[in-house]
Amino acid sequence: QKEVEQDPGPLSVPEGAIVSLNCTYSNSAFQYFMWYRQYSRKGPELLMYTYSSGNKEDGRFTAQVDKSSKYISLFIRDSQPSDSATYLCAIPQRSSNTGKLIFGQGTTLQVKP
Amino acid sequence: EPEVTQTPSHQVTQMGQEVILRCVPISNHLYFYWYRQILGQKVEFLVSFYNNEISEKSEIFDDQFSVERPDGSNFTLKIRSTKLEDSAMYFCASSAQGAGKNIQYFGAGTRLSVL
Repeated sequence: QKEVEQDPGPLSVPEGAIVSLNCTYSNSAFQYFMWYRQYSRKGPELLMYTYSSGNKEDGRFTAQVDKSSKYISLFIRDSQPSDSATYLCAIPQRSSNTGKLIFGQGTTLQVKP
Repeated sequence: EPEVTQTPSHQVTQMGQEVILRCVPISNHLYFYWYRQILGQKVEFLVSFYNNEISEKSEIFDDQFSVERPDGSNFTLKIRSTKLEDSAMYFCASSAQGAGKNIQYFGAGTRLSVL
């Protein structure tokens, strides 16, 4: 089983829709969870990070962690065309002494005006 | 806002040539990383660097690769003899903290094209 799995999409939604992006992970020892946004041919940009279970909200973005299911989600409310990008979940590998990140495949999102 | 900068943005080279990719991490960060992303694939960890030495490396990071922090600001990745399969985006990242709450900030990347 892969350590971090993410449906690559693509996902296409109309402007204003609520978007749900998801990742599953295999190692129950993971504690920190991150979401990065990557525009075409650019570097990953940190959107949000969460620790342990629960929700964290930042503007139109909500990150959710369900450790019992090993499932993490990113919700985007009132999606905008500028949200069109690839969204990457990333988890620091706990056994790594420098916290190397394990990335999901990335989900490509297109928000249509 | 502090950021990680990478140069060049695009590097074209012939197979077998040496390339050096350059990065200036965020100034008060202590941990430095290189990642690679082949077109259409996942971002993959290559190497981490702390206290002037390699902390961890992946199986991708073989003897053809080396990293260096030649001065107080630059962090470089050298590929000694490039292969076609080295063509990818290379991202530099830095963080203030290692394990645990390890928030890594990425540069815009260098696109390496090996012909």
